[in-house]
Amino acid sequence: DAGVIQSPRHEVTEMGQEVTLRCKPISGHNSLFWYRQTMMRGLELLIYFNNNVPIDDSGMPEDRFSAKMPNASFSTLKIQPSEPRDSAVYFCASSLWGRSTEAFFGQGTRLTVV
Amino acid sequence: AQSVTQPDIHITVSEGASLELRCNYSYGATPYLFWYVQSPGQGLQLLLKYFSGDTLVQGIKGFEAEFKRSQSSFNLRKPSVHWSDAAEYFCAVGGEGNKLVFGAGTILRVKS
Repeated sequence: DAGVIQSPRHEVTEMGQEVTLRCKPISGHNSLFWYRQTMMRGLELLIYFNNNVPIDDSGMPEDRFSAKMPNASFSTLKIQPSEPRDSAVYFCASSLWGRSTEAFFGQGTRLTVV
Repeated sequence: AQSVTQPDIHITVSEGASLELRCNYSYGATPYLFWYVQSPGQGLQLLLKYFSGDTLVQGIKGFEAEFKRSQSSFNLRKPSVHWSDAAEYFCAVGGEGNKLVFGAGTILRVKS
């Protein structure tokens, strides 16, 4: 398996534009997580899905952020409109359901909003 | 709610020296604990995990960690550090549902 695949790897956009980040989890995994990493706040869990259903979105910073998982092999994180403070590295991770199972991370998308 | 504290933001060790990275957790039930490593520009890679049994767990790249319930700690160790170990290390606890809660990370620098 190729692992968790995120696209794009880098995104530079202007303030006010819509940004869509994409993730393909590992085949067979039924949990998917979106994390944001910044110097100031470290790794923050934004939202996670189980069997394509959002379980906990309490980490989503505001209504400008939305995430979907239309099927088991694809998820998106959308920011509309984007702001400079959204600049961060966004990671997608997938795992099998269960507290003892490890999460496998993608390479991340580095987002810069200017 | 669960939380993880990594008290050291940066640590510098000499190549060949031993290493210990500290991690303290807070969780009401039996904790499931993980250590991940992140190299620059990369995602996180699992080093090792603990969820039951022997409190000393072995991981990849020569790392080990010891779970101490009485101290709520899960410190990561390596007897001899290599220059390639320079990276950022994250401790995490498996919490409600399936989510992982991460500590702030410790950046390891290795002096030659």
